Amino acid sequence: GAGVSQSPSNKVTEKGKDVELRCDPISGHTALYWYRQSLGQGLEFLIYFQGNSAPDKSGLPSDRFSAERTGGSVSTLTIQRTQQEDSAVYLCASSSAGNRGSYNEQFFGPGTRLTVL
Amino acid sequence: AQSVTQLDSQVPVFEEAPVELRCNYSSSVSVYLFWYVQYPNQGLQLLLKYLSGSTLVKGINGFEAEFNKSQTSFHLRKPSVHISDTAEYFCAVRPQGAQKLVFGQGTRLTINP
Repeated sequence: GAGVSQSPSNKVTEKGKDVELRCDPISGHTALYWYRQSLGQGLEFLIYFQGNSAPDKSGLPSDRFSAERTGGSVSTLTIQRTQQEDSAVYLCASSSAGNRGSYNEQFFGPGTRLTVL
Repeated sequence: AQSVTQLDSQVPVFEEAPVELRCNYSSSVSVYLFWYVQYPNQGLQLLLKYLSGSTLVKGINGFEAEFNKSQTSFHLRKPSVHISDTAEYFCAVRPQGAQKLVFGQGTRLTINP
């Protein structure tokens, strides 16, 4: 595709339910990132993938949050037992390479707006 | 650790007036610096970046920013704004050797006719 795509665009769930958010990166991009944009916390980094590995998952706020990437392409962010404070826009970005010491622009998707009732 | 402070949460200006959006950062390591723009109901788009070299960098849509190492600032400027510049602007840093972006809280730029 032409850009990073995310699905669903909107998700409303009830407190305590699990949710899965999907990200399709730009074809050929080996690096993939998840960020969260919320009213209280601004834009925060969650996790970074290089290929299928996650060398930096320092931003995941709790063990209810997990992410995986398969085939070096699609990534899924899973939130278990959702809480109201999880309500936010979840943004995915991808870039080529992502090697240390080099710069590769991160291209962002439109985001998934998650609302936990 | 790194932190980014955008000094103004909202900036209202009149059309065709100049604007400056302020950004300061702190970091114990060298960083790359960025400004991103988020138009209403859209994703983030890179406006400009500073990696090295000339401290004055030019971006898209007539924006420019100047890196000031001594003041740890990276303020964004435009000499004459247009209604279409209404958006939220985010300053970000990326520590050299790391991949994640650290963002400021954002500045909402509102252009009045």
